Amino acid sequence: ILNVEQSPQSLHVQEGDSTNFTCSFPSSNFYALHWYRWETAKSPEALFVMTLNGDEKKKGRISATLNTKEGYSYLYIKGSQPEDSATYLCAFETGGFKTIFGAGTRLFVKA
Amino acid sequence: DSGVTQTPKHLITATGQRVTLRCSPRSGDLSVYWYQQSLDQGLQFLIHYYNGEERAKGNILERFSAQQFPDLHSELNLSSLELGDSALYFCASSVQEISRETQYFGPGTRLLVL
Repeated sequence: ILNVEQSPQSLHVQEGDSTNFTCSFPSSNFYALHWYRWETAKSPEALFVMTLNGDEKKKGRISATLNTKEGYSYLYIKGSQPEDSATYLCAFETGGFKTIFGAGTRLFVKA
Repeated sequence: DSGVTQTPKHLITATGQRVTLRCSPRSGDLSVYWYQQSLDQGLQFLIHYYNGEERAKGNILERFSAQQFPDLHSELNLSSLELGDSALYFCASSVQEISRETQYFGPGTRLLVL
C-alpha cells in the first residue's frame, strides 16, 4: 500500500517566523511530487510540481526541495504572513499516473 | 478563478439515487482529473481522462463512472448512492496527457446523501 505522510499535522507560528513541513513518500516508482496550497472554502491551488531528484523550486517566499532517493520533500515558508494560513498538501504521483495525497499540514499564522 | 468550472455547486439527494456531476476544463486543457474529499479521508484520486480516453484509475468505486466528451467536458456519474458518498468532489484539468504538470482545480461540487 502506497502511503504519503505529512508532518506536522498542524503548525502555529507567529507572523514573520520561517517554517517548514515534510512530505514523505515511497522512494520507488516515483513520477512526480506536487505541492498544493488549500485555503478553507476554496479549492487546492498548485504551488509546485517536482520531478527530478535534487529539484528546488521557489515562488516568492515559498520554496521546496525534493529527494526522491530517500523519499521526502520539504516545503519552506520564509517570513510567514497571516495570508499564508492554509493547508499545504503534497501529492505523490506514481509511474502508473495514480496520485496519492498526504493528509496535509495545517498552518496557522498569527499576526 | 482557475478557469475550471463545476456544476452543480451543491447537491442534496437520497440514498439509492443517481447523480451526475459536470466539469468543464480550462480552455485548451485536454486532461481532466476527478477527486473526492470526504470527511474521514483526505483527498482521493478517482480517475483521469485525456482527450476523451481513460488514462488512470484510482480509488473509484464500481458504482461510479466517468467520461470525457468530444468537447472535453467531463461527467462523473454516481449511482446507488450511499450515505458514505457524501463528499466534496473536485475536478482538475491540465494541458497535456502526462500529469507531471500543474493541475488547476475547479471549485468543487458538494454532495450530501441523506
